[in-house]
Amino acid sequence: SQQGEEDPQALSIQEGENATMNCSYKTSINNLQWYRQNSGRGLVHLILIRSNEREKHSGRLRVTLDTSKKSSSLLITASRAADTASYFCATDAGGGADGLTFGKGTHLIIQP
Amino acid sequence: GAGVSQSPSNKVTEKGKDVELRCDPISGHTALYWYRQSLGQGLEFLIYFQGNSAPDKSGLPSDRFSAERTGGSVSTLTIQRTQQEDSAVYLCASSLWREQPQHFGDGTRLSIL
Repeated sequence: SQQGEEDPQALSIQEGENATMNCSYKTSINNLQWYRQNSGRGLVHLILIRSNEREKHSGRLRVTLDTSKKSSSLLITASRAADTASYFCATDAGGGADGLTFGKGTHLIIQP
Repeated sequence: GAGVSQSPSNKVTEKGKDVELRCDPISGHTALYWYRQSLGQGLEFLIYFQGNSAPDKSGLPSDRFSAERTGGSVSTLTIQRTQQEDSAVYLCASSLWREQPQHFGDGTRLSIL
């Protein structure tokens, strides 16, 4: 079942603007990860934030995590045409024998 | 290798045939995962290997699906008596160990006629 739910489902912005995507989940997690997928390709890991962390930065990416609200956001600053892709949040419940639980993704289009 | 390699990249087969999908993980990665991506279901987790062992196979959609991993490296996902609903992209990922970022291959696009 899909635990993560991204919002919005699709987002179109102008190059140079900031893009914000949100993710909500239902159960306790060990960590939350964001991935990018270009059309016809596999997923590329962007950033991992652990349940005891509230914010993390990587280059133009900023991720926040609010475990009390079971939500996360991904901010891409100064967007570029090459950022056009689908973005997925994925939760890792930790332990056990499960893989990641993915949301349905946000399709981001950066208009040049 | 430099990344996770999957083969074939595309597979078209007739309903009822068996198919075998292969995944070569990044060298040294102990954890290996199979996922399925389809328009209707999004990304679904299928099975996880730690070394050669799959602790839980309950994520596999039906008993027509099986997977194995040998030598702590290559993994194969086998689908017997394929059905049209098996059409999807099958993605493999590996990580150094459990709960680490996963590195994905480009997937096998499976089409059942």
